[in-house]
Amino acid sequence: SQTIHQWPATLVQPVGSPLSLECTVEGTSNPNLYWYRQAAGRGLQLLFYSVGIGQISSEVPQNLSASRPQDRQFILSSKKLLLSDSGFYLCAWSPTTGSNQPQHFGDGTRLSIL
Amino acid sequence: LAKTTQPISMDSYEGQEVNITCSHNNIATNDYITWYQQFPSQGPRFIIQGYKTKVTNEVASLFIPADRKSSTLSLPRVSLSDTAVYYCLVGAGNTGKLIFGQGTTLQVKP
Repeated sequence: SQTIHQWPATLVQPVGSPLSLECTVEGTSNPNLYWYRQAAGRGLQLLFYSVGIGQISSEVPQNLSASRPQDRQFILSSKKLLLSDSGFYLCAWSPTTGSNQPQHFGDGTRLSIL
Repeated sequence: LAKTTQPISMDSYEGQEVNITCSHNNIATNDYITWYQQFPSQGPRFIIQGYKTKVTNEVASLFIPADRKSSTLSLPRVSLSDTAVYYCLVGAGNTGKLIFGQGTTLQVKP
């Protein structure tokens, strides 16, 4: 069966520090991968998605970047964190693009910026 | 991508059936309707998906009328552990992108 792993589960970082969040998927090949951010009490906002190695699409201009160095690895990064980067970050995967392919989410990373 | 509208919150009691309706007036011909459940500090979990008529699985049923402009998630005999936020989404197109609204916060009371 397929599994998705995100780490760390929680992270506290000072303003201006770098960030690296990692997501890996097991049990499937060439998945579509997604990074979302969720503010408190709000729905999920799509940040990045990838349909293959090295292929990244950005949904909103921001202080973050994403990379996909391997087929089942998706990394969310920042060179200098802002207070507004605080939130709950979720990684997800789906087998292929298309409306009938549900996305499966990891357990998320709670990021607090001080 | 079709926009969805669903109630912000609902209350229920243990053992009752809960129906959450979602409006999606601009659903495209090839869009599917998908529901997710999210507990605090966890990622959303896929519940059920359908295209038309009725779909049932071990946890829920999904009713979709012929015009597909709305859908209803039905949770039979809810328990306290069903307290969560429920999201209705339609369409992902060629990119797989999903637009999440605020969802419906279901509070199940004893």
